[in-house]
Amino acid sequence: AQKITQTQPGMFVQEKEAVTLDCTYDTSDQSYGLFWYKQPSSGEMIFLIYQGSYDEQNATEGRYSLNFQKARKSANLVISASQLGDSAMYFCAMRDRRNEDSSYKLIFGSGTRLLVRP
Amino acid sequence: DVKVTQSSRYLVKRTGEKVFLECVQDMDHENMFWYRQDPGLGLRLIYFSYDVKMKEKGDIPEGYSVSREKKERFSLILESASTNQTSMYLCASCMNSNEKLFFGSGTQLSVL
Repeated sequence: AQKITQTQPGMFVQEKEAVTLDCTYDTSDQSYGLFWYKQPSSGEMIFLIYQGSYDEQNATEGRYSLNFQKARKSANLVISASQLGDSAMYFCAMRDRRNEDSSYKLIFGSGTRLLVRP
Repeated sequence: DVKVTQSSRYLVKRTGEKVFLECVQDMDHENMFWYRQDPGLGLRLIYFSYDVKMKEKGDIPEGYSVSREKKERFSLILESASTNQTSMYLCASCMNSNEKLFFGSGTQLSVL
C-alpha cells in the first residue's frame, strides 16, 4: 500500500508568489522522518528539507518551509517567493520500515511537477 | 563532497540479457539503495542494503537481485532483462536513516 500521497501531478505558480505542494503520509510508527527533494530537468535529486516526527517546530530552510500537521498526517512544502529556477519535480519522502524487525528505508511519493511562470 | 557514482548514464540492452548496474559511494555510508523512477509513479524502492553482504527487499524486487561485497559498492542485477524494466535507475546512499540521501546521476536503461 502506498504510504506517501502527492495528489497534485502538476502545478503552476506565478514568479514571486508562494506555492504549497501537498503531501500526506501513513505510518504506524511513532518515530519517523519526512523529506522533500527537488529534481530539475537535469535529473539530479536535490535534498531540500527534513522534518522529524518529534520536532515541535516546523522545519525551514531559506525559502522552503514544511507545514507539518501531525494529527492530519500531512507534510506540505511551502516555497515562498517562487523563482524561475524552482520549476522542477518535487518529491515527498518518508522514512519507513516494513515491521519492527526490518531496517528503515526511504519511500517516495509520485511527485508534483511545478512550473513557475514569469 | 559526497559522491555517488553510477557507472553508466545510458544503457541499451536486449530482452533476456543479464544486466549489471554498478554504484559506488566514497563516504563510507552504511546504507545504499536502488530505486527506479517512472513517470507518474515517482521513485520506487527495489532493494536496499544496510551493511556489507546484507540486503533487504524493497517494494518492487521481482526480476532484480543485488550484491554488496564491499561497503562502497552496491550492484543491481537484472537476471534476464525484460522490456518492462526499461526505466531510470537511481542509486543512493546515506550514513543512517535520519539523514538525507545522496543520489547518483542515474542510469537510463532501455531494454529492446
